[in-house]
Amino acid sequence: DAGITQSPRHKVTETGTPVTLRCHQTENHRYMYWYRQDPGHGLRLIHYSYGVKDTDKGEVSDGYSVSRSKTEDFLLTLESATSSQTSVYFCAISVEREGEQYFGPGTRLTVT
Amino acid sequence: TQLLEQSPQFLSIQEGENLTVYCNSSSVFSSLQWYRQEPGEGPVLLVTVVTGGEVKKLKRLTFQFGDARKDSSLHITAAQPGDTGLYLCRPGNQFYFGTGTSLTVIP
Repeated sequence: DAGITQSPRHKVTETGTPVTLRCHQTENHRYMYWYRQDPGHGLRLIHYSYGVKDTDKGEVSDGYSVSRSKTEDFLLTLESATSSQTSVYFCAISVEREGEQYFGPGTRLTVT
Repeated sequence: TQLLEQSPQFLSIQEGENLTVYCNSSSVFSSLQWYRQEPGEGPVLLVTVVTGGEVKKLKRLTFQFGDARKDSSLHITAAQPGDTGLYLCRPGNQFYFGTGTSLTVIP
């Protein structure tokens, strides 16, 4: 299994609070991704990174920011959480942009 | 915008039955990946198909890429409860996934 961990695995937070999710990889893959998964919408890309300090927006980036200061870590921040951001968040990594993706175990976030 | 349609959306079958799920698009893809996601876990890559008409087998799972590289199918023979999960397809050069087929195999 690809070495990808996500933390926390579960989080409940209140509307308006900041939240940071962490993705850590031990594979030294160049590309890292953040997705959210919701019933009826499938997996949707939030942001991705193609190197240290190099990031780009995905399909549903509004309300989210990311940072990648080290190859192994990709952080997703919700500056002011809203109930619409209640979801399961997955991190993924790949060697190439078009390559096969390897996913972490997910973080279940509930915003009350 | 998701350009991949997967069908059926939900499928519930008895153990031992055969099934086929589909991934269709109007776009041509350089390759297509299939993933399976078990409840409470992240998706796991099953296979990548690259050549039009290509057929790949993974034990009881048979994957086919359409001749025009616009569609793909996954056939499962003699389904088992361990096959239960969400099956997702993804074009190799895109960031989006199909909406998936949720399969339940009843013992």
